[in-house]
Amino acid sequence: ELKVEQNPLFLSMQEGKNYTIYCNYSTTSDRLYWYRQDPGKSLESLFVLLSNGAVKQEGRLMASLDTKARLSTLHITAAVHDLSATYFCAVDPLGGADGLTFGKGTHLIIQP
Amino acid sequence: DADVTQTPRNRITKTGKRIMLECSQTKGHDRMYWYRQDPGLGLRLIYYSFDVKDINKGEISDGYSVSRQAQAKFSLSLESAIPNQTALYFCATSAASGAQTQYFGPGTRLLVL
Repeated sequence: ELKVEQNPLFLSMQEGKNYTIYCNYSTTSDRLYWYRQDPGKSLESLFVLLSNGAVKQEGRLMASLDTKARLSTLHITAAVHDLSATYFCAVDPLGGADGLTFGKGTHLIIQP
Repeated sequence: DADVTQTPRNRITKTGKRIMLECSQTKGHDRMYWYRQDPGLGLRLIYYSFDVKDINKGEISDGYSVSRQAQAKFSLSLESAIPNQTALYFCATSAASGAQTQYFGPGTRLLVL
């Protein structure tokens, strides 16, 4: 059974600081997705990582994938309040032949 | 207009009632999915469909059934609702080939009393 673990599950940080969210998974996969969810809203796709060493950046967010370590990271640089949300990683172990397996999410609060 | 729509957006029902949640998409995607979200548990897959004739169970299909009426429509039914099916339900779609991200609908918030 595929397990996807995120940590931390809750993070409160100040504006201007840097931090990293970790996503570990238990089976071989080279397809990993990051989503953002605002309170009461749907999930918004942030990044799609499709190979070992893949790195994607958008604004203050950067995601990377290490398939050998079965680890993805979401790094936040100089956080701003608008990045407050819940962030999910999800793994697709069968190359699209199955649904996604999600982590439990990281609830991120960025305080002024 | 939204690419993936869900109806109803909110629903309160009683234990034992049959209810249907509907999902429609205009993205032209072949693959459609139903997930439920519970606080602190992330999203879990209920059913998924790769085309009208291809329906597959997900991790937590017990107590649910689905119908793929057309490429654009995928419905989720609770035959006899129970309180622990109270959750937020999401429909999602993706393209058929390659590693494609899933696009999520706005969600249906269901309360079973």
